[in-house]
Amino acid sequence: SAVISQKPSRDICQRGTSLTIQCQVDSQVTMMFWYRQQPGQSLTLIATANQGSEATYESGFVIDKFPISRPNLTFSTLTVSNMSPEDSSIYLCSVESGQLINTGELFFGEGSRLTVL
Amino acid sequence: AQSVSQHNHHVILSEAASLELGCNYSYGGTVNLFWYVQYPGQHLQLLLKYFSGDPLVKGIKGFEAEFIKSKFSFNLRKPSVQWSDTAEYFCAVRTGTASKLTFGTGTRLQVTL
Repeated sequence: SAVISQKPSRDICQRGTSLTIQCQVDSQVTMMFWYRQQPGQSLTLIATANQGSEATYESGFVIDKFPISRPNLTFSTLTVSNMSPEDSSIYLCSVESGQLINTGELFFGEGSRLTVL
Repeated sequence: AQSVSQHNHHVILSEAASLELGCNYSYGGTVNLFWYVQYPGQHLQLLLKYFSGDPLVKGIKGFEAEFIKSKFSFNLRKPSVQWSDTAEYFCAVRTGTASKLTFGTGTRLQVTL
């Protein structure tokens, strides 16, 4: 298993500002995934972050809006840029771990609940 | 693109009642199927998974799910729910070799005493 810590756990932000969410894992992992869970909706994958390469974004998500860093095998950040109320959501970091590579079996952080006014 | 449908958005049951939560997916190829659970105030965690073999899979806490390929379904069941099963349940599917999952919208289960 993997233990994932996210910061902040929640925040209230003003329209037009940016917020960076941090994700720390207690073990080295190859891929880290950033999901968004909007109110009443399912989890949607934003991007996959690999160490040493550019993040891979899903359809509908772009690097200018959601820049991601992956400086090492245990850490990643997701920035939500130029926020609007539509960005109010829970942002989740997830990873595969150990021998569970490429199985789809993920471990999740507790999420960062973002409210944009 | 694949999609996952969970038709029950909110289910309320009394303790000891039987549970079945529906999950249907749309994808014609090989799939891996998952149920994740999120207890109040906790993070998402894996409940059970199907990769291959016996289509009836058993998970933690007495839950099981049956993969019916002809119906594109992976329904979650439990014969007798407990108050501690109150949580949100998400069905998810993985297709191809990528690790990313497609999730359903979730079902909120409320078990009353």
